[in-house]
This record gives sequence, C-alpha cells and structure tokens, in this order.
Amino acid sequence: GNSVTQMEGPVTLSEEAFLTINCTYTATGYPSLFWYVQYPGEGLQLLLKATKADDKGSNKGFEATYRKETTSFHLEKGSVQVSDSAVYFCALSDRPYSGGGADGLTFGKGTHLIIQP
Amino acid sequence: DTEVTQTPKHLVMGMTNKKSLKCEQHMGHRAMYWYKQKAKKPPELMFVYSYEKLSINESVPSRFSPECPNSSLLNLHLHALQPEDSALYLCASSQDTGNYGYTFGSGTRLTVV
Repeated sequence: GNSVTQMEGPVTLSEEAFLTINCTYTATGYPSLFWYVQYPGEGLQLLLKATKADDKGSNKGFEATYRKETTSFHLEKGSVQVSDSAVYFCALSDRPYSGGGADGLTFGKGTHLIIQP
Repeated sequence: DTEVTQTPKHLVMGMTNKKSLKCEQHMGHRAMYWYKQKAKKPPELMFVYSYEKLSINESVPSRFSPECPNSSLLNLHLHALQPEDSALYLCASSQDTGNYGYTFGSGTRLTVV
C-alpha cells in the first residue's frame, strides 16, 4: 500500500533560519507528490506539487524536488518568517499502472512548524 | 472561481439530530471527496465521488451518508452521530484523477453533544 513518512514536530526555528522538513514515501504506481499547509482553524492549502521524477515544485520561497531514487520529497525554505508557522503535510496521489480514477490523497502525519521572532 | 465552499463553518448537533454538510465547487472538477480530520492528525479519507458516482467508501459507518446531486455539489448527511464523530470535516475536489492537485474547502467544525 501507499504511505508517507515525515518528521513530526513541533519544529521550532528562529526567523530567517533555513528550513528542511523531510518526507519519504512508498507507492505502488506513479505518484504525484504534494505539500499542503494548514493554518490554525483553516482547511488545507496546496503549497507546491511535483508530478514526475526530478520535477521541482516551488511557491512562496518553498521548494521540493521529487527524488525517485531516494523516494523523497523534502520541503526547504531558505529564510523562514513568523507567518510560516503552521502545520505542513506531505502527501501523495498514486496513479495505478493501468487505468485511472480518483483515489484521494495519502497524507503524512504532519509537521507543526513554529517560527519565533 | 477557484474555491471549494463549505457550509456551515460550525455545527453543534445532538446525538439524535439529523443535519447535513454542504460543499460546492465551480471549477469543473469531476472528482469530489469528504475527509475527516481530528485534532493534531492528518485528514482521513471517507468518500470519493467520481463523475457523480460513489467510487470509494473507506468503511465509513452508515450514520454518515454522502450524496452528489450534480457535478458541482456534494453533501454529507449526518444522523445519530456519536461524540467521537466530533471533528473538522473537509471537502475537496480535483480533476478526474487528482494527480495535479486537490482543492480543499475551509471545513465544517462539527461538535456532537
């Protein structure tokens, strides 16, 4: 079956620090990979995505590269801000070897990021 | 329109009540989803509708009953819920396979008393 493993927090950093949140996955097909962010009391917002190996997703200073050889999709940001404090979910959507169809997302457990001024 | 709209935002219901959650999108997406999220946990998939037909039911108790009246609307009918069903209920939509991303609504915060 499919699974996503990510570092659990809380992760506490100072403003302007470098951020890495590790994410690895197992999948049976050809997954697309996502990072979603959830602010307190809100739904999930798509942060970035990559649909095939070696793709790099980027948005708002965050980036992640789809590494098939290491089955990883680590999230990075060069200089974090207090406003980046949130819960970050790594997720995958798997494409079966044949056919299609919607199957929903498999999520990691989420990483609570706290940025201190 | 690039949003998924969920109503109500908050709902308190007794264990004998019947209520419904509503979800709407106008992005032309053909797949819609219900997720349940407990505090400090990731969302858990409940139901998937693909082209207005129920395609996945993740062994959800029958006190939760989904309905997809048309390609833009998704409902979740609630009846005889338990306090442990209190959670954030999220609706999402995607193009047919979801491999290019899912758009989530802001959720309905449900409390069962």
